[in-house]
This record gives sequence, C-alpha cells and structure tokens, in this order.
Amino acid sequence: ETGVTQTPRHLVMGMTNKKSLKCEQHLGHNAMYWYKQSAKKPLELMFVYSLEERVENNSVPSRFSPECPNSSHLFLHLHTLQPEDSALYLCASSQVAASSYEQYFGPGTRLTVT
Amino acid sequence: GQNIDQPTEMTATEGAIVQINCTYQTSGFNGLFWYQQHAGEAPTFLSYNVLDGLEEKGRFSSFLSRSKGYSYLLLKELQMKDSASYLCAVRDSNYQLIWGAGTKLIIKP
Repeated sequence: ETGVTQTPRHLVMGMTNKKSLKCEQHLGHNAMYWYKQSAKKPLELMFVYSLEERVENNSVPSRFSPECPNSSHLFLHLHTLQPEDSALYLCASSQVAASSYEQYFGPGTRLTVT
Repeated sequence: GQNIDQPTEMTATEGAIVQINCTYQTSGFNGLFWYQQHAGEAPTFLSYNVLDGLEEKGRFSSFLSRSKGYSYLLLKELQMKDSASYLCAVRDSNYQLIWGAGTKLIIKP
C-alpha cells in the first residue's frame, strides 16, 4: 500500500448504530487530519493530530470521536449520528515542519446516515 | 472571520487557457495551496505559493499577491482530463488550512 488509505470506502448506517472509520498513512508523516466534505461547501477540518498532540475543532459534535494510536493510524468513531452528518469524510497526512508540508489525502469514506 | 472566495463553476474549451481566481481574508498568512479533485476522488496537491509572484509547473501556473489577498491558478492547453474541482486553501497564523468551496471546471470539446 502506498500513500493514504481509508476504509471503508462507503458506509450506510442508521442513527442508532456505532461504526468506525479507519485511515492509514504509509508516508512517514507526523500529522494526520480528519475532514468533512459536503457538497458545494468548503472542507471542514474536524480533528488534527500533530506531533502526538491532538488539536480539536470546538464545533465538532461529541458523536464524533477520534483516536490516533500511533503516527500511522487514525480512527474516527461514530455513534448516534444524524442525517446531516452524511458526507464524504477525508483523511489526510502531512510532514510538519517541512517547507510547505502539503497534505496528502486518502480517497475518503462516503457516509450515508439513514 | 476567515474567508476564501472562488467562483463556483467555470466552463472552458479543450486546448484553451483558463484562469481560476481565489481571494482570501485570513488571520495571518503562511502559504497558499491549490488542489485538484476529480469527482469521487481525493484532492491532490497542485501548487504552493508563499512569496509573491508566479510559480510555473508544466501546464499549470499559480500566482500570488499577498498585499491584495489574491491568487490565481492558470491552466494552459486544456485537456478533457482537467475537468475537476480546484480547491484554494490558505494556511493561517496557526498553521491551519482554511479552504475555499472549490471551483468546478467543465471542459468542453
């Protein structure tokens, strides 16, 4: 595997379900990100893990819970979601302190909440 | 507040040139990025500007004016595969990326 991988690619879940999204980066980066992408809206940064420090967006509801067990893996745990949470969830990684440290994105998980 | 503005949609002809503009108002500036995103795929990095001027990379060029809070992405010799959304993002004083909503570029034969 190369780059940034995400599983599953598609997920349909009911509002009472609990599920987790997984992201893995094979680039040796030291920062990982979760984004939410809704149609015709800017990417919304949800969570950042950088140099093992978690940076959180205060507007993210508690029904989203991130976990970063090491620098290569990132999870997003989901529970009691709402239909408006349906979106594309993108994971990204970067190398902090590199000259530009652009972010490399995974293919995303298309989430539908019914 | 912080804001990135870019046109929602643009149409151009195969073989032509198109310029996608981006204006920004952010708390601090630590670089501007352009990404390309094909439908159903991940955004991929195109360019990075931190100093004023033009950065050229093959058929794609990106320009930055920090005093005007303005950038553009210039695509030359358009190909059908260039049909995609183009995302502008600015890194603010906290080194977080602030994203525009993207410009959907439609290429017609």
